[in-house]
Amino acid sequence: GQQVMQIPQYQHVQEGEDFTTYCNSSTTLSNIQWYKQRPGGHPVFLIQLVKSGEVKKQKRLTFQFGEAKKNSSLHITATQTTDVGTYFCAVLGRGGYNKLIFGAGTRLAVHP
Amino acid sequence: SQTIHQWPATLVQPVGSPLSLECTVEGTSNPNLYWYRQAAGRGLQLLFYSVGIGQISSEVPQNLSASRPQDRQFILSSKKLLLSDSGFYLCAWRAGLGTDTQYFGPGTRLTVL
Repeated sequence: GQQVMQIPQYQHVQEGEDFTTYCNSSTTLSNIQWYKQRPGGHPVFLIQLVKSGEVKKQKRLTFQFGEAKKNSSLHITATQTTDVGTYFCAVLGRGGYNKLIFGAGTRLAVHP
Repeated sequence: SQTIHQWPATLVQPVGSPLSLECTVEGTSNPNLYWYRQAAGRGLQLLFYSVGIGQISSEVPQNLSASRPQDRQFILSSKKLLLSDSGFYLCAWRAGLGTDTQYFGPGTRLTVL
């Protein structure tokens, strides 16, 4: 079935350092979504990328969709303790009904 | 505005006992509804989805079942819980045509002992 590989699994950074998580698919994607889950919380939608080569920014977060629409990245500039959590990418699964297939997630720890 | 509720928030159940988790959505009609399970420190696994009343599709064979008795109500059940059923159960809804975004409820943390 449809799968998406996400790396790294964990990332520990000092506050102020940058952070990047990557998602890769073996097949061309129609779109990719990113979610953030705070510790003990539920996933919250961040953004959806649709176009080849698309770049979107949300304050210190930069999202990119690859030219071939097979990979995506989320980059956080100058991390803050509020960035702590797990970041998931999600892609549409096969068979319709907008089923989402989630990456395994990247857990970000930020040390003050 | 739309809101999604789940209860209970936490649950501790013995092995072999039944389970019923409820999810309700407000402020929207005919949503697609989804049940996910998240094991500790892991990703989200899609369990069931529903596109309408009485319509349930299962993604993986397991010890669980789902029902949708009303348009905005989605129930996850089990007749006999297993230890492996422990996890964080999340309900999500999709607004409908034109968007793929899913919105998650607060979740139910289930521990089976």
